Formats: sequence, structure tokens, C-alpha cells
Amino acid sequence: NAGVTQTPKFQVLKTGQSMTLQCAQDMNHEYMSWYRQDPGMGLRLIHYSVGAGITDQGEVPNGYNVSRSTTEDFPLRLLSAAPSQTSVYFCASSSLPGGRGQEDTQYFGPGTRLTVL
Amino acid sequence: GENVEQHPSTLSVQEGDSAVIKCTYSDSASNYFPWYKQELGKRPQLIIDIRSNVGEKKDQRIAVTLNKTAKHFSLHITETQPEDSAVYFCAASYPGANNLFFGTGTRLTVIP
Repeated sequence: NAGVTQTPKFQVLKTGQSMTLQCAQDMNHEYMSWYRQDPGMGLRLIHYSVGAGITDQGEVPNGYNVSRSTTEDFPLRLLSAAPSQTSVYFCASSSLPGGRGQEDTQYFGPGTRLTVL
Repeated sequence: GENVEQHPSTLSVQEGDSAVIKCTYSDSASNYFPWYKQELGKRPQLIIDIRSNVGEKKDQRIAVTLNKTAKHFSLHITETQPEDSAVYFCAASYPGANNLFFGTGTRLTVIP
């Protein structure tokens, strides 16, 4: 199993540009989520999905859209990039929400480092 | 929702010494407390977790303790080694929650 994969690894955008961060998992996990990581602020939840066709907002959803058309894929779209969106983005998945047991460990992807100029 | 606070934000210890990282949580319904380790440039990875029906859990040099009354839990690393240097995150979750609530992280440096 590849686990959780993310593309691209690095990206530089200009203010106002749009792009999609890709996330895929091959563990048949129902739950997927997107976090952003900024220095001193830990991991902040952007959006999450509890299954195909179901998405919801997390702590910092503004400026981002998500969709979940399949169990495997959970792309994150930046509609109009702003310098405040410069961050490292992690996708995560688990078999149940929150990763509440050893068998439900939340697995993270390798991350995408995004810079918005 | 849940609020998790983590201290200290940075911690330096000599190799061989112990390190302790503490977290508090706000929601008394929380019952699952994982700890993640993130090495520089890498993804967070689960290293140990504890449920609210257990007061302590050990895995070799790593242990986690939970005090439900005081709503705090701690990570203990004994006989620290340079490869323990990383950022550590605590988290909490409660029944019905749709996500983990993370602390802001502790950067641990083990000095050889």
C-alpha cells in the first residue's frame, strides 16, 4: 500500500492564482481531512469528509473548497491564492473520524509546501 | 468544541536525560489522546495513544499518563537520544467528534 499520497510536494503561486492540491489514499478509509501547518500554530483543520459525497468545514475553511467524489480522493482547491495561505498542507485519513483507536490511526500524507507571492 | 493546550513550546535536554511534555484539554467527554512525532520536513506519525479508561501506557522509552480529574495528559521520554529530536503534538477526541483536536506542538532538541 502506498498509504496517503499528496501532489505536488512544492508549489509557488502568485496572488490570485488558483490551484488544486491532490490527496489520495489506498487504504479504503472513509474519513479524510486537510490540515495546514504554520509555525507556532500546530495543525489546523481546514475541511474534512466522513465519506464519499460528504464534506464539512473545519477550523479555518475560508478560501478553500473540497469535494469527495470517490473514497480514494480528496482534493483541496485554492480559489484565489493569498499570501496568508502560504503554509504546509497535510492530508490525513483514517477508517473512522478522529482516529479513535489503534486500528483507526490517522495517517498523514507527506505534505505540500505552498508559497504564495 | 475541544481546546487542547500544550507546554512547553520548546524543550532542550541532554542526551540520556528524560523529557516531559504536558497537555491540558477542556472537554471532559474526551476519551482518546494520541501523540504524534514530526521529524524535520516529514509527516506527523502516531507514536503512542491512550484511552480514558487507562491511567498510563508504556512503549519502551515512551510513556503517556492521563489524569482525567485534572484534564491533563503527559508524554514522558526516558533515556533520550538525538533521534528523539522532533516536534511532538498531543491531540484529543471525544465520542461523536469528527476530528482530532491538536495542541500547538513542542519542539524537542536532544543535545548529544
